Amino acid sequence: GAGVSQSPRYKVAKRGQDVALRCDPISGHVSLFWYQQALGQGPEFLTYFQNEAQLDKSGLPSDRFFAERPEGSVSTLKIQRTQQEDSAVYLCASSSLGEGAYEQYFGPGTRLTVT
Amino acid sequence: EDKVVQSPLSLVVHEGDTVTLNCSYEVTNFRSLLWYKQEKKAPTFLFMLTSSGIEKKSGRLSSILDKKELFSILNITATQTGDSAIYLCAVEPGRDDKIIFGKGTRLHILP
Repeated sequence: GAGVSQSPRYKVAKRGQDVALRCDPISGHVSLFWYQQALGQGPEFLTYFQNEAQLDKSGLPSDRFFAERPEGSVSTLKIQRTQQEDSAVYLCASSSLGEGAYEQYFGPGTRLTVT
Repeated sequence: EDKVVQSPLSLVVHEGDTVTLNCSYEVTNFRSLLWYKQEKKAPTFLFMLTSSGIEKKSGRLSSILDKKELFSILNITATQTGDSAIYLCAVEPGRDDKIIFGKGTRLHILP
């Protein structure tokens, strides 16, 4: 596909379960970003990768959140022991290095509902 | 702390009206200000502004930046029901390409 894809599109988890959210960036894009968007809010930055290196994880809300991009392409955001406050849409975006943040291309998001 | 504040948070107008959405920001290093339209899940890019006083236009949408007063406005003229969406303002502070988003303005256009 030509765009960023994310899976699953919807995920319902019981409180305490672990979840894994996948992002397939645009082929060749070096930079990859994860955002969390709660209902009625703008997306909030979680973490940023350049290739396989996680350069910034300052936005991860707790140590239950973990992201990886082992081969510099697909990325996985893992949330352990989910809590109700984790319910949100998780957006992934990718961009080519050096062309500015405005060229971030967003995926459709994964809507996580924790019950 | 870097922040982006949008107003109003929500707005309801009738088709044909003109609307102005506001965005103010405080960042330690400024690189660009961005406007996005979010209809479903993923925001779609509208404008990037880097210089004060230069209006960007795309059809009925226009935007301008004031770097002295640290704000931007997004204007939509002759609104249509298809303009109903959340409009997000975001700032790129100039490091690591990390964008800081405002909470958005939820615009609803009545037919």
